[in-house]
Amino acid sequence: DTAVSQTPKYLVTQMGNDKSIKCEQNLGHDTMYWYKQDSKKFLKIMFSYNNKELIINETVPNRFSPKSPDKAHLNLHINSLELGDSAVYFCASSQRGQRGEAFFGQGTRLTVV
Amino acid sequence: AQTVTQSQPEMSVQEAETVTLSCTYDTSENNYYLFWYKQPPSRQMILVIRQEAYKQQNATENRFSVNFQKAAKSFSLKISDSQLGDTAMYFCAFMVQGGKLIFGQGTELSVKP
Repeated sequence: DTAVSQTPKYLVTQMGNDKSIKCEQNLGHDTMYWYKQDSKKFLKIMFSYNNKELIINETVPNRFSPKSPDKAHLNLHINSLELGDSAVYFCASSQRGQRGEAFFGQGTRLTVV
Repeated sequence: AQTVTQSQPEMSVQEAETVTLSCTYDTSENNYYLFWYKQPPSRQMILVIRQEAYKQQNATENRFSVNFQKAAKSFSLKISDSQLGDTAMYFCAFMVQGGKLIFGQGTELSVKP
């Protein structure tokens, strides 16, 4: 069973479109995250939710909107996609207060053309 | 500001030899976690080893060990008996309050036969 799963793994879309990436974790963790890995492989956090509540919101364009329907799911919706949004997006989860380890999904490679 | 620095963008090692990857960080916190993650070409982020800052003993996981120098804010990773499967990008990361991970720029390790 995959602990943190994201769909889709690959996404190619045109500029201006709206797209969503879904994430689910079956680890029973209470905190989920979205990270962005750019073309130079640098990883940076975008958002974090704890028990469906937004707790971290880094400087991200408001075209990006996370949604957490329950603590096992965290989706990322992106409006009006731009070329610069091309990157790999990782979902992760952890249990706050317990050793800190974050488990990552396999990543979604988004290509905007 | 909390930062993580990996000063070696690329390294290579012969199979069966030992290699050390460097990492320094900056924080004013006293209790925190440090991690090394491995990202092979498959893109999956895999936890290699973790260290709690309050533990003086260096963490070890099979062929992987760390040299944690809290006063110097240094956290290097030693890989012994390098194997071809160790070829990957290695990220040093620091966990701050709320579970957010701050990553270094990564070190691309190539293990040569």
